[in-house]
Amino acid sequence: GDSVTQMEGPVTLSEEAFLTINCTYTATGYPSLFWYVQYPGEGLQLLLKATKADDKGSNKGFEATYRKETTSFHLEKGSVQVSDSAVYFCAPQGNAGGTSYGKLTFGQGTILTVHP
Amino acid sequence: DTGVSQNPRHKITKRGQNVTFRCDPISEHNRLYWYRQTLGQGPEFLTYFQNEAQLEKSRLLSDRFSAERPKGSFSTLEIQRTEQGDSAMYLCASSLAVGSSGSGREQFFGPGTRLTVL
Repeated sequence: GDSVTQMEGPVTLSEEAFLTINCTYTATGYPSLFWYVQYPGEGLQLLLKATKADDKGSNKGFEATYRKETTSFHLEKGSVQVSDSAVYFCAPQGNAGGTSYGKLTFGQGTILTVHP
Repeated sequence: DTGVSQNPRHKITKRGQNVTFRCDPISEHNRLYWYRQTLGQGPEFLTYFQNEAQLEKSRLLSDRFSAERPKGSFSTLEIQRTEQGDSAMYLCASSLAVGSSGSGREQFFGPGTRLTVL
């Protein structure tokens, strides 16, 4: 089945610092790739996604590029804010060509804390 | 609010008791997923439905677990003879899949039901 290796946390940064959270995956077929975020006290919500190789997903200043050759989908942000403090999950989604059709396979999550 | 809702939000039960959780997806969504999340881990897939048909079940879903989506709308997840290892957050998500493909479609998550088995 699909699997995800996500950068271990916690990650602690100062405001305006550069953020990278690494994510690599294994999947059969051609997965879509997602980053979900869980803010304190809230449910999971989609941050960004990419559905084919070399696509770049972006939202709220965050970006991630679908790298099929390295099976990676690293999350980056040029200048983090205190409000970005949350848990971030990388998740490939199986498609019709794979054995994990339709469901998300989540990484263990990376806790990000941003200090003023 | 037209998001995914789950009830109850919290459930405390004694080992050996049965519990049932309910999920109401976004109304036009035809796919519904159940996940389980333990502390410090990412959600793990349990099962999913397309309309009323249960199309995939994880090996995590032992015989004590059963899920239904009788009319293709809300879904229930029942755990029989609960064990302490069942303590977790149970998440429901829904999505709109067009045709036979579901890939690339965002799943919208509910707030979860936190189960504590004493």
